[in-house]
Amino acid sequence: GALVYQYPRRTICKSGTSMRMECQAVGFQATSVAWYRQSPQKTFELIALSTVNSAIKYEQNFTQEKFPISHPNLSFSSMTVLNAYLEDRGLYLCGASHRVGNTLYFGEGSRLIVV
Amino acid sequence: GDSVTQTEGLVTLTEGLPVKLNCTYQTAYSDVAFFWYVQHLNEAPKLLLRSSTDNKRTEHQGFHATLHKSSSSFHLQKSSVQLSDSALYFCALSPGGNNKLTFGQGTVLSVIP
Repeated sequence: GALVYQYPRRTICKSGTSMRMECQAVGFQATSVAWYRQSPQKTFELIALSTVNSAIKYEQNFTQEKFPISHPNLSFSSMTVLNAYLEDRGLYLCGASHRVGNTLYFGEGSRLIVV
Repeated sequence: GDSVTQTEGLVTLTEGLPVKLNCTYQTAYSDVAFFWYVQHLNEAPKLLLRSSTDNKRTEHQGFHATLHKSSSSFHLQKSSVQLSDSALYFCALSPGGNNKLTFGQGTVLSVIP
């Protein structure tokens, strides 16, 4: 079956430092990867949508300078939160799908705690 | 833009009773897929149901939902809830053949003995 692994599961970082998270798709080709942030209030924000061989599209309020994403092949993607501050806290979810328009399968999430 | 509305923030039910979690939406697209995701405590959201066909019932793990474009709804139902159904449920839509999911605010289902 389709599985998505994310790591690390949890990171505590000091304010102003950075955190890198990785997303691995197993059992299918992750042509499309969407990175979301789930706030402490449980609402979802789409950060960016990445499709292999296409430009990464960032949503309003999210930039490549703050959240650089790499999607080098059909099984792996990574995202970094640069200069993390309190407002960056949350659960970062990687959702991957084989084709654009198909179901997104989510990883377990990488929780960012900023102190 | 697109929006998904889940009117109940918390639903508390006794085990064995039926449940209906409301989901309505707004979208300008005609080609749209709809989803229900379930998120248990400290876990990631997992796909529960998916549908893009009007008036067709979709079922999985005892839950079912029917997309009704006439009323812009995709309510989730189960005839008899179990303790293990306690979780956060999200309704979402993905329009126009892309992977941009728009989520509702979520409904916490709490099942008590």
